[in-house]
Amino acid sequence: SQKIEQNSEALNIQEGKTATLTCNYTNYSPAYLQWYRQDPGRGPVFLLLIRENEKEKRKERLKVTFDTTLKQSLFHITASQPADSATYLCALDGGSSASKIIFGSGTRLSIRP
Amino acid sequence: EAGVAQSPRYKIIEKRQSVAFWCNPISGHATLYWYQQILGQGPKLLIQFQNNGVVDDSQLPKDRFSAERLKGVDSTLKIQPAKLEDSAVYLCASSLGLAGAGYEQYFGPGTRLTVT
Repeated sequence: SQKIEQNSEALNIQEGKTATLTCNYTNYSPAYLQWYRQDPGRGPVFLLLIRENEKEKRKERLKVTFDTTLKQSLFHITASQPADSATYLCALDGGSSASKIIFGSGTRLSIRP
Repeated sequence: EAGVAQSPRYKIIEKRQSVAFWCNPISGHATLYWYQQILGQGPKLLIQFQNNGVVDDSQLPKDRFSAERLKGVDSTLKIQPAKLEDSAVYLCASSLGLAGAGYEQYFGPGTRLTVT
């Protein structure tokens, strides 16, 4: 069955360091992979989308890589700040109206001052 | 631009009762999604509409859950009768483009349902 794994439930790092979150998947061929941020009590907020034929995407302090051979995406936050503390979710989209969108369970990131 | 609106924000019911959730997507968005998010898990897609037609409802427990999207705009999700395991946050999301085209989703704040 289709499965997404996000590397750890929680990640705790020092302010100013780079946070790296991992999303691995099996039994799925995504056309797109998206990353969302979710704060407690709120709905997810879109951050970045990367297509299957793209290796890397950047937006300000965020960087996403996508390796369809390893079936893995890495999400990096450089120069991390306490305000980056949240849960980060990856989501796979098969790229057709018939394909189901699936979310990972998320990684809770805490940035300590 | 106004975001996705959901109501109510919180609901507490007893098992076997019924409940309905309402969602108003962003104006002009073709695709509407309902998700169930159990504490500590990622959102699980229940049903996906494109305009007023159902694209995917394969994970909707159809013996107790139903959903409709009226005139391709607002949507309601109903549970009847509720079970304890239905306790979760129900999220509505919408996207501008057609399902499967890689458009970002805009989420509402969710409805937290507690079944006792």
